[in-house]
Amino acid sequence: ETVLTQSPGTLSLSPGERATLSCRASQSVRTSFLAWYQQKPGQAPRLLIFATSSRATGIPDRFSGSGSGTDFTLTISRVEPEDFAVYYCQQYWSSPPTYTFGQGTKLEIK
Amino acid sequence: QVTLKESGPALVKPTQTLRLTCTFSGFSLRTSGMRVSWIRQPPGKALEWLARIDWDDDKFYSTSLKTRLTISKDTSKNQVVLTMTNMDPVDTATYYCARTDGGIFDDWGQGALVTVSS
Repeated sequence: ETVLTQSPGTLSLSPGERATLSCRASQSVRTSFLAWYQQKPGQAPRLLIFATSSRATGIPDRFSGSGSGTDFTLTISRVEPEDFAVYYCQQYWSSPPTYTFGQGTKLEIK
Repeated sequence: QVTLKESGPALVKPTQTLRLTCTFSGFSLRTSGMRVSWIRQPPGKALEWLARIDWDDDKFYSTSLKTRLTISKDTSKNQVVLTMTNMDPVDTATYYCARTDGGIFDDWGQGALVTVSS
């Protein structure tokens, strides 16, 4: 089973700064099967990015995703106050279908 | 508009069986390609996928929990049911159902907190 390791565990930034979140897989992941979610306290996760770099409906263009193989990145070009949350990467293995999540990166206000 | 909502007991005792229902609208599990998954999250911890059921009644389970899980659907009621046997305090978590589009979870319910305690 593929293990996803996210870093850093916590990222402390001020609004307006650039955020770079990393997700490293224990084995190669198809780019079409890597996604990112945002979760705010007391809320369900929300899909941000799918297929490594495609933004979900309604997601601002300050969010972008990149990567391939075992290394993937979520970038927030200029962090807005509403972006402070926990971010999870997630991968899918199709045969048989299984889904795994990283342990999360908390983006907090500095 | 797609909505999903989880329902079930908030408290179960150790060794009991948990039964959770996901009631959804805005899509149908009769439609080819539609899928619904269950995912859980212990307090302060990461997300864990549990199970998935497809429009054609294919079912898939987490390897580590498959002996304890059963997923089923009632298409006439737009519901998906998850049962988990032999509950333990470590199973205390918020349980989510989510519409699943291949490899992603694109719509989520609000979650149901289940506490396992005697």
